[in-house]
Amino acid sequence: AQKITQTQPGMFVQEKEAVTLDCTYDTSDPSYGLFWYKQPSSGEMIFLIYQGSYDQQNATEGRYSLNFQKARKSANLVISASQLGDSAMYFCAMRVFYGQNFVFGPGTRLSVLP
Amino acid sequence: NAGVTQTPKFQVLKTGQSMTLQCAQDMNHNSMYWYRQDPGMGLRLIYYSASEGTTDKGEVPNGYNVSRLNKREFSLRLESAAPSQTSVYFCASSDPRGGLNIQYFGAGTRLSVL
Repeated sequence: AQKITQTQPGMFVQEKEAVTLDCTYDTSDPSYGLFWYKQPSSGEMIFLIYQGSYDQQNATEGRYSLNFQKARKSANLVISASQLGDSAMYFCAMRVFYGQNFVFGPGTRLSVLP
Repeated sequence: NAGVTQTPKFQVLKTGQSMTLQCAQDMNHNSMYWYRQDPGMGLRLIYYSASEGTTDKGEVPNGYNVSRLNKREFSLRLESAAPSQTSVYFCASSDPRGGLNIQYFGAGTRLSVL
């Protein structure tokens, strides 16, 4: 079975600074994908970034990058130059390629301070 | 672009009442999902439908039924609501072709069972 762990229930960061949100995962399947979603206070789930288990390079999408360390089974999200609008819940999720089941972590609440 | 549309946005039920949550997507996706979100637990999969005509149980299916009406629509039914089903419900859709299988979410339905 797959499992996602996010050990930081809450994080604070100063505006314009970078922040890393931790995610570790557990799976015995060699083929999988890792996802990060943002949930602002309005409640919708917004896809941010994706990393495949066979991708050679870390994924980047604008100010978001994924620090993928396969041997350690970690997929940390790095947000550079934090903005007030980045304040939200952030969820790490995983799906094995031959399954339909997505597994989500419990989330990290990020607060960006002015 | 509508994406994934859920109705209703809010609902209050009494214990034992039944209701159906509706979900429709206009992205021509094959796969659709129903999740519930409870505080501190992230999203948990209730049921999913890999393609039109198929449905499968997820992590927490008890007390729910689903219908994949056609490719666009996937409904979730609570036959006899219980207070433990108070939660925020999300519908999502994805297209597994291409490997990424990014899930796109609706805005959610906030359900309270008294």
